[in-house]
Amino acid sequence: DARVTQTPRDKVTEMGQEVTMRCQPILGHNTVFWYRQTMMQGLELLAYFRNRAPLDDSGMPKDRFSAEMPDATLATLKIQPSEPRDSAVYFCASSLSSGYNEQFFGPGTRLTVL
Amino acid sequence: AQSVTQLGSHVSVSEGALVLLRCNYSSSVPPYLFWYVQYPNQGLQLLLKYTSAATLVKGINGFEAEFKKSETSFHLTKPSAHMSDAAEYFCAVSRTAANAGGTSYGKLTFGQGTILTVHP
Repeated sequence: DARVTQTPRDKVTEMGQEVTMRCQPILGHNTVFWYRQTMMQGLELLAYFRNRAPLDDSGMPKDRFSAEMPDATLATLKIQPSEPRDSAVYFCASSLSSGYNEQFFGPGTRLTVL
Repeated sequence: AQSVTQLGSHVSVSEGALVLLRCNYSSSVPPYLFWYVQYPNQGLQLLLKYTSAATLVKGINGFEAEFKKSETSFHLTKPSAHMSDAAEYFCAVSRTAANAGGTSYGKLTFGQGTILTVHP
């Protein structure tokens, strides 16, 4: 069945290293979201793409985070340099046409920055 | 601004008992409302959604929710809890946002979540 896939599932890295997380949205979905989940802040929207163009990345720290969609089957979230406060679970989700529709979530990438 | 408040970060019930998870929303316009469930080490999965059709919405796994405009509530219920219902549940509201270029889109705002524990 169609699912959102994310890699890696777990990532442990040291402070200052670059981290790249990848997401493959469901085929045919043209809207992609990146969320971050922490105990303290809950679920936060980091970035929102429609038809591969960023619509909203106001939730993302601009100095170290970047999000792109090189093509319709791949979304990436990069952190450079990483910091311990970036430790969280990062989810990718996709949906059809707009944010009013059901969002299908991937399994997440658990990032630990030491 | 639209937001959701989930009353109770932890709810504990016995197997077979009624499940009631509370969600109140604030919205200046009729909202789209959602309940998602998150099982351990997994992503969120949609349980049900309200989109201004029937006020009583039935979802998967025997869950349902009722939209009550007068109470600004969208509480989630299930008549009889199963052990497999143990998970974290999130209420969410979709609002229209606009980016700097003026393009509008739907944006989900999630509540803080309620962890449901089911005892044998």
